[in-house]
Amino acid sequence: GEDVEQSLFLSVREGDSSVINCTYTDSSSTYLYWYKQEPGAGLQLLTYIFSNMDMKQDQRLTVLLNKKDKHLSLRIADTQTGDSAIYFCAESLTGYSTLTFGKGTMLLVSP
Amino acid sequence: NAGVMQNPRHLVRRRGQEARLRCSPMKGHSHVYWYRQLPEEGLKFMVYLQKENIIDESGMPKERFSAEFPKEGPSILRIQQVVRGDSAAYFCASSPPGTGAPYEQYFGPGTRLTVT
Repeated sequence: GEDVEQSLFLSVREGDSSVINCTYTDSSSTYLYWYKQEPGAGLQLLTYIFSNMDMKQDQRLTVLLNKKDKHLSLRIADTQTGDSAIYFCAESLTGYSTLTFGKGTMLLVSP
Repeated sequence: NAGVMQNPRHLVRRRGQEARLRCSPMKGHSHVYWYRQLPEEGLKFMVYLQKENIIDESGMPKERFSAEFPKEGPSILRIQQVVRGDSAAYFCASSPPGTGAPYEQYFGPGTRLTVT
């Protein structure tokens, strides 16, 4: 079965870079995703990467995928206090349209 | 274009009562997904529906839980005889017709169910 694991907590200072890591177990994952959840809110899709890609960059966000190690990371450059939230890694498997989520990493950005 | 709407946002029920959670997908979307988020957990898939059809209910508890997405109106997640362990945030997502690709899923704000 599939399983997605993340570290639970990360604290950084405003202006620093944040790196949130995720590992997954199912090699048939097609897409991997990063979602952001602010307090009391739903999930916002930040970015996703197809499994045949190594890297994807979108403004301050960089996603790195190491398919051999089944490791995914999200780097946020110039982290701002508004980036404080819970970040979820998720995967979808080939032929399935449902998502499997990790437990989330709480990012706390201090001024 | 309004996003995915869920109501109520907060629901309190006593043990043994019924809970009805509603989800109105985005305009033009015909796929609906329900996920449950237990405290300090990630979201767990429950059920995937298209209009008038349940496509995948592999994540739905076998008893007390049911879901529908009628031809007209919102999708409903129904929990009968609620227990304290049902307390969670329930999220709905919708996607447009077609493949139902997860990167096209848009999430609602969730309904937070508290069972007392």
